[in-house]
Amino acid sequence: KAGVTQTPRYLIKTRGQQVTLSCSPISGHRSVSWYQQTPGQGLQFLFEYFSETQRNKGNFPGRFSGRQFSNSRSEMNVSTLELGDSALYLCASSTQLASGEQFFGPGTRLTVL
Amino acid sequence: GENVEQHPSTLSVQEGDSAVIKCTYSDSASNYFPWYKQELGKRPQLIIDIRSNVGEKKDQRIAVTLNKTAKHFSLHITETQPEDSAVYFCAASKDSSASKIIFGSGTRLSIRP
Repeated sequence: KAGVTQTPRYLIKTRGQQVTLSCSPISGHRSVSWYQQTPGQGLQFLFEYFSETQRNKGNFPGRFSGRQFSNSRSEMNVSTLELGDSALYLCASSTQLASGEQFFGPGTRLTVL
Repeated sequence: GENVEQHPSTLSVQEGDSAVIKCTYSDSASNYFPWYKQELGKRPQLIIDIRSNVGEKKDQRIAVTLNKTAKHFSLHITETQPEDSAVYFCAASKDSSASKIIFGSGTRLSIRP
């Protein structure tokens, strides 16, 4: 089975712009979670989607949003980018909500200038 | 909400010695506790997990123990090798459609030759 894939792998944006990141889960996985990873903050949970519905949300501002499509692929959008949004954004897929093994993608490295 | 604390943040051990990483959680309803290893520049990968109906689980040189009463769980790595150098994350979650997996802040483990 192919693993979790994320596109793009690297992205450079400027403050105020918006960005869309994409995640394709492992075939058959219906849960997709997004995380922000920074050196000082570790893995911060953004949100989780299951069957096209957002099931859980972390403590991030409304500038961070996402969605999931019928094929379980997910996108994450960040509007009005700030310097502090520079991070590695990881998505992870699993067969079930929360209590299953999370399979991580390689991440998208976002740099905001 | 659920909170997971992880200690120490950095750990350096001599090759061949044992390493122990500890985590505590706040939600007594949590019942799934995975550990992830993230090597430099790579994605986090599950190395071992334990459910609340088990007190200890072992897989070769890696073991995890769980104390439900004290709400803490630990990762034990014996006979450490250079390839064990990585950042290790603990996490906790519960079987619930409204639950989310919460990660600890990570432990950077370095193995000295």
